[in-house]
Amino acid sequence: SQKIEQNSEALNIQEGKTATLTCNYTNYSPAYLQWYRQDPGRGPVFLLLIRENEKEKRKERLKVTFDTTLKQSLFHITASQPADSATYLCALDTNAGKSTFGDGTTLTVKP
Amino acid sequence: SAVISQKPSRDICQRGTSLTIQCQVDSQVTMMFWYRQQPGQSLTLIATANQGSEATYESGFVIDKFPISRPNLTFSTLTVSNMSPEDSSIYLCSVEQASANTGELFFGEGSRLTVL
Repeated sequence: SQKIEQNSEALNIQEGKTATLTCNYTNYSPAYLQWYRQDPGRGPVFLLLIRENEKEKRKERLKVTFDTTLKQSLFHITASQPADSATYLCALDTNAGKSTFGDGTTLTVKP
Repeated sequence: SAVISQKPSRDICQRGTSLTIQCQVDSQVTMMFWYRQQPGQSLTLIATANQGSEATYESGFVIDKFPISRPNLTFSTLTVSNMSPEDSSIYLCSVEQASANTGELFFGEGSRLTVL
Protein backbone atom coordinates (compact mmCIF):
# COMPACT_ATOMS: atom_id res chain seq x y z
CA SER A 1 0.00 0.00 0.00
CA GLN A 2 1.07 3.60 -0.47
CA LYS A 3 2.41 5.41 2.56
CA ILE A 4 4.03 8.69 3.49
CA GLU A 5 5.67 8.65 6.89
CA GLN A 6 7.25 11.54 8.73
CA ASN A 7 9.50 10.98 11.68
CA SER A 8 8.09 11.13 15.16
CA GLU A 9 5.12 13.31 15.74
CA ALA A 10 7.17 15.74 17.81
CA LEU A 11 10.77 16.92 17.70
CA ASN A 12 12.27 19.10 20.42
CA ILE A 13 15.62 20.81 19.98
CA GLN A 14 17.66 23.59 21.51
CA GLU A 15 17.94 26.96 19.83
CA GLY A 16 20.94 27.17 17.52
CA LYS A 17 21.00 23.47 16.72
CA THR A 18 20.10 21.92 13.38
CA ALA A 19 16.66 20.32 13.14
CA THR A 20 16.39 17.35 10.79
CA LEU A 21 12.97 16.10 9.73
CA THR A 22 12.42 12.94 7.71
CA CYS A 23 9.86 12.04 5.09
CA ASN A 24 9.77 8.44 3.85
CA TYR A 25 7.41 7.10 1.23
CA THR A 26 6.53 3.73 -0.27
CA ASN A 27 4.88 2.75 -3.52
CA TYR A 28 5.02 6.24 -4.98
CA SER A 29 7.16 7.61 -7.79
CA PRO A 30 6.77 11.34 -7.34
CA ALA A 31 8.07 13.81 -9.89
CA TYR A 32 8.65 16.25 -7.03
CA LEU A 33 8.33 16.57 -3.29
CA GLN A 34 7.41 19.65 -1.28
CA TRP A 35 7.76 20.85 2.28
CA TYR A 36 5.21 23.09 3.99
CA ARG A 37 5.05 24.83 7.33
CA GLN A 38 1.79 24.99 9.27
CA ASP A 39 1.22 27.13 12.35
CA PRO A 40 -1.71 26.42 14.71
CA GLY A 41 -4.97 27.68 13.27
CA ARG A 42 -3.42 28.58 9.93
CA GLY A 43 -3.24 27.02 6.50
CA PRO A 44 0.01 25.41 5.33
CA VAL A 45 2.63 27.67 3.77
CA PHE A 46 4.88 26.42 0.99
CA LEU A 47 8.61 26.34 1.78
CA LEU A 48 10.54 24.32 -0.80
CA LEU A 49 10.02 22.04 -3.76
CA ILE A 50 12.60 19.52 -4.95
CA ARG A 51 12.33 17.57 -8.18
CA GLU A 52 13.17 13.91 -8.70
CA ASN A 53 16.34 14.80 -10.62
CA GLU A 54 17.60 17.13 -7.88
CA LYS A 55 19.63 15.85 -4.95
CA GLU A 56 19.58 18.95 -2.80
CA LYS A 57 18.01 22.36 -2.62
CA ARG A 58 18.68 25.26 -0.28
CA LYS A 59 16.82 28.38 0.76
CA GLU A 60 18.35 30.56 3.45
CA ARG A 61 18.58 28.33 6.56
CA LEU A 62 16.60 25.52 4.96
CA LYS A 63 18.01 22.55 3.10
CA VAL A 64 16.11 19.69 1.50
CA THR A 65 17.54 16.47 0.10
CA PHE A 66 15.71 13.95 -2.05
CA ASP A 67 16.89 10.37 -2.48
CA THR A 68 14.61 8.53 -4.91
CA THR A 69 16.48 5.27 -4.31
CA LEU A 70 15.89 5.38 -0.56
CA LYS A 71 12.49 7.01 -1.18
CA GLN A 72 13.33 9.60 1.40
CA SER A 73 13.57 13.35 1.83
CA LEU A 74 15.39 15.10 4.64
CA PHE A 75 14.49 18.64 5.68
CA HIS A 76 17.09 20.56 7.66
CA ILE A 77 16.75 23.87 9.51
CA THR A 78 20.14 25.18 10.54
CA ALA A 79 20.72 27.63 13.38
CA SER A 80 17.18 26.97 14.55
CA GLN A 81 15.19 29.67 16.35
CA PRO A 82 12.09 29.53 18.56
CA ALA A 83 10.21 31.16 15.66
CA ASP A 84 10.84 27.99 13.65
CA SER A 85 8.52 26.11 16.00
CA ALA A 86 5.64 24.79 13.88
CA THR A 87 4.37 21.64 12.19
CA TYR A 88 6.21 20.71 9.01
CA LEU A 89 4.47 18.69 6.34
CA CYS A 90 5.95 16.89 3.38
CA ALA A 91 3.81 16.43 0.30
CA LEU A 92 4.31 14.25 -2.74
CA ASP A 93 3.10 14.75 -6.25
CA THR A 94 1.12 11.54 -6.51
CA ASN A 95 -1.25 11.77 -9.47
CA ALA A 96 -1.80 14.34 -12.19
CA GLY A 97 -0.62 17.26 -10.13
CA LYS A 98 -2.39 16.26 -6.94
CA SER A 99 -0.43 16.38 -3.72
CA THR A 100 -0.64 13.83 -0.93
CA PHE A 101 0.52 14.99 2.49
CA GLY A 102 2.31 13.24 5.32
CA ASP A 103 1.04 13.51 8.90
CA GLY A 104 3.57 16.18 9.77
CA THR A 105 6.23 16.61 12.43
CA THR A 106 5.75 19.22 15.15
CA LEU A 107 9.03 20.99 15.84
CA THR A 108 9.61 22.88 19.08
CA VAL A 109 12.76 24.97 19.36
CA LYS A 110 13.56 25.85 22.95
CA PRO A 111 15.45 29.02 23.82
CA SER B 1 1.68 34.29 -4.84
CA ALA B 2 -2.05 33.82 -4.61
CA VAL B 3 -4.08 35.25 -1.74
CA ILE B 4 -7.01 33.07 -0.72
CA SER B 5 -9.91 34.13 1.47
CA GLN B 6 -12.23 31.61 3.07
CA LYS B 7 -15.56 32.16 4.77
CA PRO B 8 -16.58 31.34 7.40
CA SER B 9 -13.36 31.04 9.37
CA ARG B 10 -15.19 28.96 11.95
CA ASP B 11 -18.69 27.83 12.77
CA ILE B 12 -20.58 25.62 15.17
CA CYS B 13 -23.29 23.60 13.48
CA GLN B 14 -26.10 21.31 14.51
CA ARG B 15 -26.24 17.70 13.44
CA GLY B 16 -28.23 17.22 10.22
CA THR B 17 -27.70 20.72 8.87
CA SER B 18 -25.56 21.79 5.92
CA LEU B 19 -22.95 24.51 5.65
CA THR B 20 -21.40 26.13 2.59
CA ILE B 21 -17.80 27.32 2.68
CA GLN B 22 -16.67 29.98 0.24
CA CYS B 23 -13.22 30.34 -1.27
CA GLN B 24 -12.18 33.50 -3.11
CA VAL B 25 -8.81 33.84 -4.88
CA ASP B 26 -7.23 37.14 -5.90
CA SER B 27 -6.17 35.80 -9.31
CA GLN B 28 -7.51 33.43 -11.93
CA VAL B 29 -6.51 29.83 -11.38
CA THR B 30 -7.27 26.67 -13.29
CA MET B 31 -7.40 24.15 -10.50
CA MET B 32 -8.78 24.60 -7.01
CA PHE B 33 -8.57 21.92 -4.37
CA TRP B 34 -10.57 21.25 -1.24
CA TYR B 35 -8.83 19.51 1.65
CA ARG B 36 -10.01 18.32 5.04
CA GLN B 37 -7.79 18.30 8.11
CA GLN B 38 -9.23 16.40 11.03
CA PRO B 39 -7.95 17.16 14.53
CA GLY B 40 -4.31 16.18 14.90
CA GLN B 41 -4.11 14.76 11.41
CA SER B 42 -2.75 15.79 8.08
CA LEU B 43 -4.54 17.07 5.02
CA THR B 44 -6.76 14.78 2.97
CA LEU B 45 -7.82 15.81 -0.51
CA ILE B 46 -11.60 15.84 -0.90
CA ALA B 47 -11.92 16.94 -4.51
CA THR B 48 -10.53 19.00 -7.34
CA ALA B 49 -12.77 21.78 -8.62
CA ASN B 50 -12.32 22.84 -12.24
CA GLN B 51 -14.18 25.70 -13.81
CA GLY B 52 -16.80 24.60 -16.27
CA SER B 53 -16.86 20.95 -15.34
CA GLU B 54 -17.91 18.66 -12.52
CA ALA B 55 -15.58 18.35 -9.56
CA THR B 56 -13.42 15.24 -9.34
CA TYR B 57 -13.77 13.49 -5.99
CA GLU B 58 -11.20 11.36 -4.22
CA SER B 59 -11.90 7.90 -2.91
CA GLY B 60 -14.16 8.06 0.13
CA PHE B 61 -15.77 11.38 -0.79
CA VAL B 62 -18.99 11.76 -2.77
CA ILE B 63 -20.80 14.62 -4.42
CA ASP B 64 -23.99 14.16 -2.41
CA LYS B 65 -22.09 14.74 0.82
CA PHE B 66 -19.68 17.41 -0.45
CA PRO B 67 -21.23 19.27 -3.39
CA ILE B 68 -18.85 21.76 -4.97
CA SER B 69 -19.45 24.72 -7.23
CA ARG B 70 -16.88 26.46 -9.42
CA PRO B 71 -18.69 29.24 -11.26
CA ASN B 72 -15.56 31.09 -12.40
CA LEU B 73 -11.76 31.07 -12.23
CA THR B 74 -11.55 32.91 -8.90
CA PHE B 75 -14.28 31.37 -6.75
CA SER B 76 -15.47 28.02 -5.43
CA THR B 77 -17.76 26.71 -2.73
CA LEU B 78 -17.79 23.47 -0.78
CA THR B 79 -20.95 22.37 1.02
CA VAL B 80 -20.81 19.89 3.87
CA SER B 81 -24.24 18.27 3.80
CA ASN B 82 -26.26 16.57 6.52
CA MET B 83 -23.45 17.07 9.01
CA SER B 84 -22.55 14.70 11.81
CA PRO B 85 -19.96 15.13 14.58
CA GLU B 86 -17.52 13.14 12.41
CA ASP B 87 -17.50 16.06 9.98
CA SER B 88 -15.94 18.30 12.63
CA SER B 89 -12.75 19.35 10.92
CA ILE B 90 -10.85 22.15 9.27
CA TYR B 91 -11.70 22.53 5.59
CA LEU B 92 -9.05 24.16 3.46
CA CYS B 93 -9.21 25.60 -0.02
CA SER B 94 -6.02 25.63 -2.05
CA VAL B 95 -4.88 26.60 -5.51
CA GLU B 96 -1.97 25.87 -7.77
CA GLN B 97 -0.99 28.91 -9.72
CA ALA B 98 -1.26 28.21 -13.43
CA SER B 99 1.83 30.22 -14.31
CA ALA B 100 4.04 28.50 -11.78
CA ASN B 101 3.40 24.96 -12.99
CA THR B 102 5.49 23.66 -10.15
CA GLY B 103 2.88 22.03 -7.97
CA GLU B 104 3.28 24.67 -5.30
CA LEU B 105 0.01 25.07 -3.45
CA PHE B 106 -1.33 28.17 -1.77
CA PHE B 107 -3.81 27.65 1.04
CA GLY B 108 -6.55 29.64 2.62
CA GLU B 109 -6.63 29.98 6.38
CA GLY B 110 -9.21 27.23 6.64
CA SER B 111 -12.75 26.95 7.94
CA ARG B 112 -13.01 25.21 11.30
CA LEU B 113 -16.34 23.42 11.66
CA THR B 114 -17.60 21.94 14.89
CA VAL B 115 -20.69 19.76 14.63
CA LEU B 116 -22.67 19.17 17.80
